[in-house]
Amino acid sequence: SQKIEQNSEALNIQEGKTATLTCNYTNYSPAYLQWYRQDPGRGPVFLLLIRENEKEKRKERLKVTFDTTLKQSLFHITASQPADSATYLCALDIFNNAGNMLTFGGGTRLMVKP
Amino acid sequence: DAGVTQSPTHLIKTRGQHVTLRCSPISGHKSVSWYQQVLGQGPQFIFQYYEKEERGRGNFPDRFSARQFPNYSSELNVNALLLGDSALYLCASRVSRGNTEAFFGQGTRLTVV
Repeated sequence: SQKIEQNSEALNIQEGKTATLTCNYTNYSPAYLQWYRQDPGRGPVFLLLIRENEKEKRKERLKVTFDTTLKQSLFHITASQPADSATYLCALDIFNNAGNMLTFGGGTRLMVKP
Repeated sequence: DAGVTQSPTHLIKTRGQHVTLRCSPISGHKSVSWYQQVLGQGPQFIFQYYEKEERGRGNFPDRFSARQFPNYSSELNVNALLLGDSALYLCASRVSRGNTEAFFGQGTRLTVV
């Protein structure tokens, strides 16, 4: 079956450290992978999009890698801050007979402690 | 510029009733998708509409239906509500069908009692 797995356990780190979140998928061959941030009771907010022919993408303190051989994406937040505390969602852009849709993982909750 | 707007923000319904949720996409965005998010899980795809036609349907029963209007706004309808339909319903708009970032509304929190 098709799966997108993110670490369901919360990730607790100290302010200033680098947070690394993992997204693994099976039975997909996505051309695009996206990362979103979601705060409690709010809709997801887009952070980064990476294409299959890109190995790495950066935006300010954020970095995403995409390894289509390992079927894995890593999401890094450097110099983390308490304001980075949220749930982070990985999403594959899938096109199949069900249409064109974002397929999400379960999300990883990040807690940055001061 | 206004983002994606959804109404209502919260709703309480009784089992067996039906509900209509509304979404206005970002101006110029022709693609609207609906997602269901149960507490503690990621959003699950329900429908995509593009240029007023259904372009994708997720694994949801026929009690779920939707439509898109000429101004690209959209409605999600759920009939014969079950307790398990309690969730956050999210609307997302995109400038095209896919391969671009999605902009989400704040969601409608539906509680079925």
